[in-house]
Amino acid sequence: AQTVTQSQPEMSVQEAETVTLSCTYDTSESDYYLFWYKQPPSRQMILVIRQEAYKQQNATENRFSVNFQKAAKSFSLKISDSQLGDAAMYFCAYRSGRFPGTYKYIFGTGTRLKVLA
Amino acid sequence: SQTIHQWPATLVQPVGSPLSLECTVEGTSNPNLYWYRQAAGRGLQLLFYSVGIGQISSEVPQNLSASRPQDRQFILSSKKLLLSDSGFYLCAGDRGSGNTIYFGEGSWLTVV
Repeated sequence: AQTVTQSQPEMSVQEAETVTLSCTYDTSESDYYLFWYKQPPSRQMILVIRQEAYKQQNATENRFSVNFQKAAKSFSLKISDSQLGDAAMYFCAYRSGRFPGTYKYIFGTGTRLKVLA
Repeated sequence: SQTIHQWPATLVQPVGSPLSLECTVEGTSNPNLYWYRQAAGRGLQLLFYSVGIGQISSEVPQNLSASRPQDRQFILSSKKLLLSDSGFYLCAGDRGSGNTIYFGEGSWLTVV
């Protein structure tokens, strides 16, 4: 079964600095999606960034970028120029299944990010 | 864009009472729908998913059940709640393409 592991329960970063959140996953599939979701105190889950496994180029969304290492099954999130509003729980997720009707989204346990002023 | 509405937002129920959480989807047809439970320190646990009306797959044997009476309606139920059913429940859906999952606002359930 596919699993997603986030080994950092909590991280802290100084405002305007850069932080990297780690995620590893286990799968035997070759085609899949990976995601990072942000959950602020409101508990609303917000998509931060998405990576398609067959694309070698790392995804980027403004201050957020990923380091996708397919062979190592690693998918880390880098937040540049950290802002107070980035403080939240961050979840790494993996979409399993090859065909519509088989898709399941598996989440890690999350990393709580604190941003220090 | 796809929007997911979920209610009630908060509820406190006694042990042994029934439960019904409802989720509706706007902005897409034939979505895949999902119920997750979020417990402290355990991330999001997938409970049920549905690919169409009346089609429910259960991921975790438990005291809960799910139903999909309409294409864009997904319901989480229990006949008799247990203390261990307490938690934050999230409804989610994708457009069937499998490239993004969207979430509702969540429901806090406290069983007392």
